[in-house]
Amino acid sequence: QSALTQPASVSGSPGQSITISCTGTSSDVGTYNTVSWYQQHPGKAPKLIIYAGTKRPSGVSDRFSGSKSGNTASLTISGLQTEDEADYYCCSSATTTVKFGGGTILTVL
Amino acid sequence: EVQLVQSGAEVKKPGESLKISCKASGYSFTTYWIGWARQMPGKGLEWMGLIYPGDSDTRYSPSFQGQVSISADKSSDTAYLQWSSLKASDTAVYYCARLLSTGTGGFDPWGQGTLVTVSS
Repeated sequence: QSALTQPASVSGSPGQSITISCTGTSSDVGTYNTVSWYQQHPGKAPKLIIYAGTKRPSGVSDRFSGSKSGNTASLTISGLQTEDEADYYCCSSATTTVKFGGGTILTVL
Repeated sequence: EVQLVQSGAEVKKPGESLKISCKASGYSFTTYWIGWARQMPGKGLEWMGLIYPGDSDTRYSPSFQGQVSISADKSSDTAYLQWSSLKASDTAVYYCARLLSTGTGGFDPWGQGTLVTVSS
């Protein structure tokens, strides 16, 4: 059961937009609209920022958005802020089979 | 407020057993799946398994099947993660999280994490 594939790191300047990709297969990301994304700051628990591929939980900034094309899901963060610097994980939960991506370190330069 | 509160940090020796807990509050414990995830030092999240407290239906990641046991107690709204014989490689932070639904995915909220250190 392979993990989902994410870039190891991305970077951007304040105010810019960045996109993090998450590649799975036709058995998970490609078939189910259950991709979720998590933000994790050092020493903290993960925080849900996107679920059902595109939905934001209450209280999450609309600067965060999700999308999908084929077997690849994406997280876009617009108007980068210094507090967005964190690790980001994608997750596919195909019914009760769950996979996480390897994580992406976002650096805000 | 929906909340998951995990038990405190543990220091154990190889070969010892351990059971850590995740107490839920603020919602109907029996109607949501609860998952467990491992995060080894400096590494990413790994899914370990899920339990549906309503009927104790449990699903394990193939990587953790046979290595841990997941259970739930409806009388105390608490989920558990258990080892019968710890190894040094079990040193990690363990998180529990509630699955919003199987139709949407999404784990929220997360517990604060339990650090397990296994060392001789």
